Amino acid sequence: AQTVTQSQPEMSVQEAETVTLSCTYDTSENNYYLFWYKQPPSRQMILVIRQEAYKQQNATENRFSVNFQKAAKSFSLKISDSQLGDTAMYFCAFTSGTYKYIFGTGTRLKVLA
Amino acid sequence: ETGVTQSPTHLIKTRGQQVTLRCSSQSGHNTVSWYQQALGQGPQFIFQYYREEENGRGNFPPRFSGLQFPNYSSELNVNALELDDSALYLCASSLVVSTMTTEAFFGQGTRLTVV
Repeated sequence: AQTVTQSQPEMSVQEAETVTLSCTYDTSENNYYLFWYKQPPSRQMILVIRQEAYKQQNATENRFSVNFQKAAKSFSLKISDSQLGDTAMYFCAFTSGTYKYIFGTGTRLKVLA
Repeated sequence: ETGVTQSPTHLIKTRGQQVTLRCSSQSGHNTVSWYQQALGQGPQFIFQYYREEENGRGNFPPRFSGLQFPNYSSELNVNALELDDSALYLCASSLVVSTMTTEAFFGQGTRLTVV
């Protein structure tokens, strides 16, 4: 069975600092996609960053970057220069293709002024 | 804004009743998935519709059913509501072409409370 695990229920970071959120997953597939989604209090899931498993290069999107370790099945999210607007729940998600997404239980991130 | 809209935003129902939730997909997308997100949890996959056919189902009973229409909008129907059905219901749309897919774009969800 495919699973996604986020072991940090809550984290906090000072504004302008850097924080890393952890995610591990389990699958026997070789081709798959990994995502980080942000869910603010408005409830809408917003895509933060996407990584294709066949790509060795880590994805980056402005202040957001990932550390993708395929052999270790690890997919962490680094947020640089944290901003108050980054305060939200962050979910790691996995899909092996056109089918369902499997989500972790989330990490609640609070950015402190 | 993702272009995926859900209605209503909030709903209160009584145990045993039936409910219909609606989702309008992002323009150009042909696939809709529904997820249930209980408080403090990650979303759980209910089912997916592709070209008006159910294309996969999670571990949910048959009283959870759905439809996808020719314009790719979708409905989630839940019969015989139970207290544990109280959750945020999320709709996600994506474009599937052959074996390739775009990432899923989510609506803002419908908060269902069963009393």
